[in-house]
Amino acid sequence: DTGVSQDPRHKITKRGQNVTFRCDPISEHNRLYWYRQTLGQGPEFLTYFQNEAQLEKSRLLSDRFSAERPKGSFSTLEIQRTEQGDSAMYLCASGRLAVNNEQFFGPGTRLTVL
Amino acid sequence: AQKVTQAQTEISVVEKEDVTLDCVYETRDTTYYLFWYKQPPSGELVFLIRRNSFDEQNEISGRYSWNFQKSTSSFNFTITASQVVDSAVYFCALSGGGAGTASKLTFGTGTRLQVTL
Repeated sequence: DTGVSQDPRHKITKRGQNVTFRCDPISEHNRLYWYRQTLGQGPEFLTYFQNEAQLEKSRLLSDRFSAERPKGSFSTLEIQRTEQGDSAMYLCASGRLAVNNEQFFGPGTRLTVL
Repeated sequence: AQKVTQAQTEISVVEKEDVTLDCVYETRDTTYYLFWYKQPPSGELVFLIRRNSFDEQNEISGRYSWNFQKSTSSFNFTITASQVVDSAVYFCALSGGGAGTASKLTFGTGTRLQVTL
């Protein structure tokens, strides 16, 4: 298996701009998660997909954030009108529904909002 | 609500010393899973172990060992004969395990381990 991949690895943007991140899960993994990690903290859950259905969203996911997983394969996370507080590492993880809550993480996308 | 506490913010040891990283958790679920992840300076979270709430057997994998005690809600991680390559931030995490749950992970704040020569 190739691992979870994320693109881009780094993104620098100006406040107010929109950004979009992509996550490619391990093939045949039907669960996909997005987390956000700020400096000195553990990752925090943002949202979860089972196949193409978005089944849970955290209160952290404001209306400026939207995530999709068309066709149940790759996923995108878009942040509109970025704010400096959005600066963080955005992590994607994937796993299999039938296997004991396993989650394998990608390398993350580090977002810096100037 | 679920909560994971890693009280040790940073630990420094000299190579070859043994070190234990503490993890205390809170959950109302009867079925749950506990995890340890390693985050080296490169930033990628590396899965180390998963343990379900019904299996309290301690586990050893090479220099790593884990002590799960439901009575004290703890899941501690010991590295024996530490090496410089063990330097990283270590996260303990918890997820619910009931049918139909998202199984999202709740992480602690991490313990930074620095191993020096």
